[in-house]
Amino acid sequence: KAGVTQTPRYLIKTRGQQVTLSCSPISGHRSVSWYQQTPGQGLQFLFEYFSETQRNKGNFPGRFSGRQFSNSRSEMNVSTLELGDSALYLCASSLEGLKAEAFFGQGTRLTVV
Amino acid sequence: SQQGEEDPQALSIQEGENATMNCSYKTSINNLQWYRQNSGRGLVHLILIRSNEREKHSGRLRVTLDTSKKSSSLLITASRAADTASYFCATQRSGGGADGLTFGKGTHLIIQP
Repeated sequence: KAGVTQTPRYLIKTRGQQVTLSCSPISGHRSVSWYQQTPGQGLQFLFEYFSETQRNKGNFPGRFSGRQFSNSRSEMNVSTLELGDSALYLCASSLEGLKAEAFFGQGTRLTVV
Repeated sequence: SQQGEEDPQALSIQEGENATMNCSYKTSINNLQWYRQNSGRGLVHLILIRSNEREKHSGRLRVTLDTSKKSSSLLITASRAADTASYFCATQRSGGGADGLTFGKGTHLIIQP
């Protein structure tokens, strides 16, 4: 069974630009969650999608948004990038959502310059 | 905000020894999970323990959960060099909170050959 795939693996963007990250969950998993990892704040929950609907949302500004498609693939978008958005963005898929074990992708490392 | 707090922040032991990491959290939980991360890569799910369980084993891993003390421990027996990684506990709050998984800052484990 293929694992969680995140693309791209690395990305360099300029302040003010926007970026879209992609996540393909494990086949059959309908829940996709996104997390931001930085040295200062650690791992922080962004949002969770289940069957194309945002079911839970963390405490991030509106510049961070996401969506999920009918095949459960998910995208995360960050608009008007700031230097502080530089981080490792991790996607996790799960069968049942937040109460079940989550399987993480390798992440996308975003650098904002 | 961080709910889980791992202790110690860093641990260095000799290969073959046992490693114990602790995690404390603040709210009532549905479950607690332990993850491993190698060098800023994706997280690998190790074990999930539900709030009504006290102990769980998986190979060389033993996890305990004390909900009255809001704490958990992860024991890795007969450590190997390949166990060198950061270990995180993650909780899913009970009561329908929209927090996603809440991670601690992690314990960085170094196994000396």
